[in-house]
Amino acid sequence: QVQLVQSGAEVKKPGASVKVSCKASGYTFTGYYMHWVRQAPGQGLEWMGWINPNSGGTNYAQKFQGRVTMTRDTSISTAYMELSRLRSDDTAVYYCARATAYGPAYYMDVWGKGTTVTVSS
Amino acid sequence: QSVLTQPPSASGTPGQRVTISCSGSSSNIGSNYVYWYQQLPGTAPKLLIYRNNQRPSGVPDRFSGSKSGTSASLAISGLRSEDEADYYCAAWDDSLSGHWVFGGGTKLTVL
Repeated sequence: QVQLVQSGAEVKKPGASVKVSCKASGYTFTGYYMHWVRQAPGQGLEWMGWINPNSGGTNYAQKFQGRVTMTRDTSISTAYMELSRLRSDDTAVYYCARATAYGPAYYMDVWGKGTTVTVSS
Repeated sequence: QSVLTQPPSASGTPGQRVTISCSGSSSNIGSNYVYWYQQLPGTAPKLLIYRNNQRPSGVPDRFSGSKSGTSASLAISGLRSEDEADYYCAAWDDSLSGHWVFGGGTKLTVL
């Protein structure tokens, strides 16, 4: 079955970077865009951007441009999201979510379980 | 501040029908499909409604969606205790080279 398995929880200091992985299985990794969405404690969902696993092309939400980098390794069907210059308000659960088809405007149907990132001094 | 506007809370008693609204603009709901996600406590969001009013397999027909202009609604009939969750609307937004936007979420309480 289609599955997205994310890396474990991280604790980082302000100013550091974090890299979260999302390993896909059960489908052709390069055939579907991947989105990243985060959720701060007690808050709503916030879209961060997408990556085209086939070409490596990306598009980031304006809020994160300059701080976020999304990459992929097709040999192991894994997408990555790296966020730099972390601040306390980056404390959140980070989700990867697969688009239903090959394109950024297709909705997200399969979600990873989330990776908790805590930023604290 | 979320781009799509939802009421922060809603409630109902078992068996009742409740609706949750989602308001947007011409660049998102007004020109694209609306999606609804259900998030149970401590879990990832789950797709509930796609393309305004379609249910994925396995989603009970108690859940229904609709859209009119720049607004959308999620209706839950025959409310059950297990429906207590957070509900989010989402849509593609055509502005700024295209991006996804979400509502702030509505916490549904089953009294």
